[in-house]
This record gives sequence, structure tokens and C-alpha cells, in this order.
Amino acid sequence: GAGVSQSPSNKVTEKGKDVELRCDPISGHTALYWYRQSLGQGLEFLIYFQGNSAPDKSGLPSDRFSAERTGGSVSTLTIQRTQQEDSAVYLCASSSLSGYQPQHFGDGTRLSIL
Amino acid sequence: SQKIEQNSEALNIQEGKTATLTCNYTNYSPAYLQWYRQDPGRGPVFLLLIRENEKEKRKERLKVTFDTTLKQSLFHITASQPADSATYLCAFNAGNNRKLIWGLGTSLAVNP
Repeated sequence: GAGVSQSPSNKVTEKGKDVELRCDPISGHTALYWYRQSLGQGLEFLIYFQGNSAPDKSGLPSDRFSAERTGGSVSTLTIQRTQQEDSAVYLCASSSLSGYQPQHFGDGTRLSIL
Repeated sequence: SQKIEQNSEALNIQEGKTATLTCNYTNYSPAYLQWYRQDPGRGPVFLLLIRENEKEKRKERLKVTFDTTLKQSLFHITASQPADSATYLCAFNAGNNRKLIWGLGTSLAVNP
């Protein structure tokens, strides 16, 4: 399809395990964003990629969180030693870099830490 | 700090009426505002973008206004339909980077 694809759509894991979330942006979109959305909360910015570099990673909650992007395309968000407070929906969005462009979102990965 | 507020209470209206949602911001002068729709279990979907030098923007049954004096944007859905029921989010850019600051959203229910 032509939209942003995220996998897995759901992930249940035990506290302390590592998880890896994947985002396939729209082809040709150079900007990629990760957000976290908890129940009743707004979208919390995590990190922004421009190509393969991350000019703004100010939203990553702790050093357990990391993200990378390769080939200017696919991005992975890794959470190490997961905690229960990491349970949320993790959303990825992409956009082109020309002017003020809207962000196109995937449907997210719903992460549940037991 | 930069802050954006939307009506926290759910809005219930009758089909065919106009829905009006409010977005207020403080401690900032954004260059543009965006409005998105989010359905349960789905990611937000872009609806409209309005720049600071634009007073009004329209798209089909949707209209957005941007009042930089009041620091407010209004989002209108005319001739509302039950299919318009969703959560509507507003967001503005933060500085020169592309990070968006998001409101919590307003839930809209259109009753048949």
C-alpha cells in the first residue's frame, strides 16, 4: 500500500524484555517521526528523523529508548528492559520536507507490558 | 512552556447541525496550525492546515479559522453526519524544527 506501515500491530511482552517496533514510511518521505500515545493522553513526541539522522531526539523518555533509520526509509524504535509504564500505542508518521507538510500516520503498535 | 488546549468535554450534536471545535494556544505564536481526525485504534489522519497569515481555510464541509489575536483556531463541520463521529486533534509547529505540539483532542459524536 501507499501509506505508513507499522509492525507489529500489537505486542505483549513481559517486564524486562527488549522490544523492537518497525515503521515503513511513505516512499520518498524524508522526515519520519515517532510518537507515543497513552490512554487519555495526547501525542507525546519521541524523536524526529531527517533522512538517516535525528536532529531532535529530545522526547525519548530515558536511555532505554533508542531509534535508528537506515537507507532513508525504514525506522526501528527499540525499548530495552521494558517497564509497565512503557505500555502505550507507539505511532510513526512521515512527511516530505518541503514547506509545512502534513504528517501521515501509521495505525501504531499497541505495546502491553505485563 | 508552549501549550495547546482543546475542549476536554465530548461534543454531542444532532445530524445535520454544525459542529464547532476549539483549539487555544499559549506562550507561542505558531506559523501554522493543523487539524487531524483520529478514529479508535487508528492513527491520526490529516484534515486541514492553516497558516498564520490566513484567516480561514475550507475543504468541502470543513472550515478552519485562525485568530492570532485571540490565539485560537476554530474547526467547523457543517451538515454533520454520524460518520463524522471521531476525535479531532489540533497541533502547531514548535519553532523552526518540524516537531508538532498536540492538543489532547475533542471527541465528537453526531447522533442520527
